[in-house]
Amino acid sequence: DVKVTQSSRYLVKRTGEKVFLECVQDMDHENMFWYRQDPGLGLRLIYFSYDVKMKEKGDIPEGYSVSREKKERFSLILESASTNQTSMYLCASRQTGGYTFGSGTRLTVV
Amino acid sequence: GEDVEQSLFLSVREGDSSVINCTYTDSSSTYLYWYKQEPGAGLQLLTYIFSNMDMKQDQRLTVLLNKKDKHLSLRIADTQTGDSAIYFCAAWGPGTASKLTFGTGTRLQVTL
Repeated sequence: DVKVTQSSRYLVKRTGEKVFLECVQDMDHENMFWYRQDPGLGLRLIYFSYDVKMKEKGDIPEGYSVSREKKERFSLILESASTNQTSMYLCASRQTGGYTFGSGTRLTVV
Repeated sequence: GEDVEQSLFLSVREGDSSVINCTYTDSSSTYLYWYKQEPGAGLQLLTYIFSNMDMKQDQRLTVLLNKKDKHLSLRIADTQTGDSAIYFCAAWGPGTASKLTFGTGTRLQVTL
């Protein structure tokens, strides 16, 4: 089974801090994704990547950037965290039968 | 772009069948998925259906696809308290720029 690991389950950061959310997958998949999940809004795509050093904006990229230096690792960066970025962040890796998700990082910005 | 819609809440009694509905807008969607999210957890793939099928059954789960109406449903037979979760419908295909587009999720509450 594909495993997608997000390094932190819970994070609390201060407004203005630079925040890194890490995601690692173990099946050599080319496609990786970052979503945020908010009540009543479902999952919204922030950024995705088709290959190393490649990135594409999703539906809500403002305030975020990403890094894909190695195939197995896809990092989401909040350059200057704000309170409206408090959310659940989900990373996924794509396989033929669907996406496999990590267990999520609940980020609180205070 | 693709738009996927679901109702937000469904309550059923234990032992009854649950039917969760979903509509999508992009007729070129190739795969349609159902994911389950339990409290505090990530999303777990339950099942998916390819667009050239109209039904798929997997144990207690039945997926129905009406491609003409762009309507997808998930039926859970003999619903149990362990089925209480949020269920997400998602669509993927060429028209979605190879991105998975999710609905808002339906919270299923199972009562005794």
